[in-house]
Amino acid sequence: EPEVTQTPSHQVTQMGQEVILRCVPISNHLYFYWYRQILGQKVEFLVSFYNNEISEKSEIFDDQFSVERPDGSNFTLKIRSTKLEDSAMYFCASTQGDQPQHFGDGTRLSIL
Amino acid sequence: AQRVTQPEKLLSVFKGAPVELKCNYSYSGSPELFWYVQYSRQRLQLLLRHISRESIKGFTADLNKGETSFHLKKPFAQEEDSAMYYCALRPGNTPLVFGKGTRLSVIA
Repeated sequence: EPEVTQTPSHQVTQMGQEVILRCVPISNHLYFYWYRQILGQKVEFLVSFYNNEISEKSEIFDDQFSVERPDGSNFTLKIRSTKLEDSAMYFCASTQGDQPQHFGDGTRLSIL
Repeated sequence: AQRVTQPEKLLSVFKGAPVELKCNYSYSGSPELFWYVQYSRQRLQLLLRHISRESIKGFTADLNKGETSFHLKKPFAQEEDSAMYYCALRPGNTPLVFGKGTRLSVIA
């Protein structure tokens, strides 16, 4: 069964540094999402992406965040200048549209 | 505002006992509801969606619009059911809104 893949599985970064989290959605999917889960808290929506542009974003997704689909397969989340409170699990998800979202394994981001 | 409430952070049951994981939602329209499961060190996986009305791994969930609930049930818990369970709402064709999750621990 096709899967959403995310790399790296764990990223450790100094505060203030830029970080890029990578995702390869399922190949025939059209809608892509990033969610995050701070330790001990619920999964929260960050941003959705369709047709090469952001379709929706939450309050969390401020100017420090950006997303890109640089080629036909990757979908990246960039945090420009990381803060301690960005430490979380970041999940990528994709769907064809009306179908349930498929999630990747997540990237654990630790900001020091 | 759309909201999903899972009142129990942790639920411990003995093997073979019935399980009910509670989920209530707040949404004025016609919601689409899901249960996702996350086994230890694994990804979020879809367990059930209300429109398919199927039973997966012995789990069922019925949408009760009057009580705005979508509780997850299983008549006889197994040890391998131990995991985090998340109820999620999709209001229209939009991103998922998750509950805080319930950790189910099945004791042998």
